[in-house]
Amino acid sequence: ETGVTQSPTHLIKTRGQQVTLRCSSQSGHNTVSWYQQALGQGPQFIFQYYREEENGRGNFPPRFSGLQFPNYSSELNVNALELDDSALYLCASSRLLPQGRETQYFGPGTRLLVL
Amino acid sequence: DAKTTQPPSMDCAEGRAANLPCNHSTISGNEYVYWYRQIHSQGPQYIIHGLKNNETNEMASLIITEDRKSSTLILPHATLRDTAVYYCIVLYNQAGTALIFGKGTTLSVSS
Repeated sequence: ETGVTQSPTHLIKTRGQQVTLRCSSQSGHNTVSWYQQALGQGPQFIFQYYREEENGRGNFPPRFSGLQFPNYSSELNVNALELDDSALYLCASSRLLPQGRETQYFGPGTRLLVL
Repeated sequence: DAKTTQPPSMDCAEGRAANLPCNHSTISGNEYVYWYRQIHSQGPQYIIHGLKNNETNEMASLIITEDRKSSTLILPHATLRDTAVYYCIVLYNQAGTALIFGKGTTLSVSS
């Protein structure tokens, strides 16, 4: 049990729609990262938020965006869904301290299917 | 791209030790070695990490070579529930950095 939760667990959308996925981090975790995992592949980094600001991004287009809130929750928004967006979406939270970032802990993921 | 190389698959008998190798020959002095595992369709689970010294916790032991170019994750008494994909990741643990997952090693534990 990591203390990181995600909702919903499963979701079905159609191409062109928009989707919002949610993550609740452990209390005190000021950093959240989002990853996309396609079937049979390892997770790929989408972006990271620290104190409600994006501070790192992988090779994903701007239609992938996020928000982080003061209550340790965060959102991943994807606009104009494409078939290839079908994947398991994972969030991972950690604490960033002056001496560095602590271990990242993952939630169970949200399985998104785009038809 | 991932900075680590792992065998694609390994088998282990239940109750025996599972030794999972990882090569990270380009690791820099301030990069940590992290191990995560992922059981089918679940989120990755943190196992252990280390910088230079060997580490042990309730789940596993991590042995890092003196030159830090390779490491071994040891599950001392593998069970069927240890069947998973194991990822070895090299990480500079600062703001903005990300876990870069390779293909990992699929460990199959059988009775």
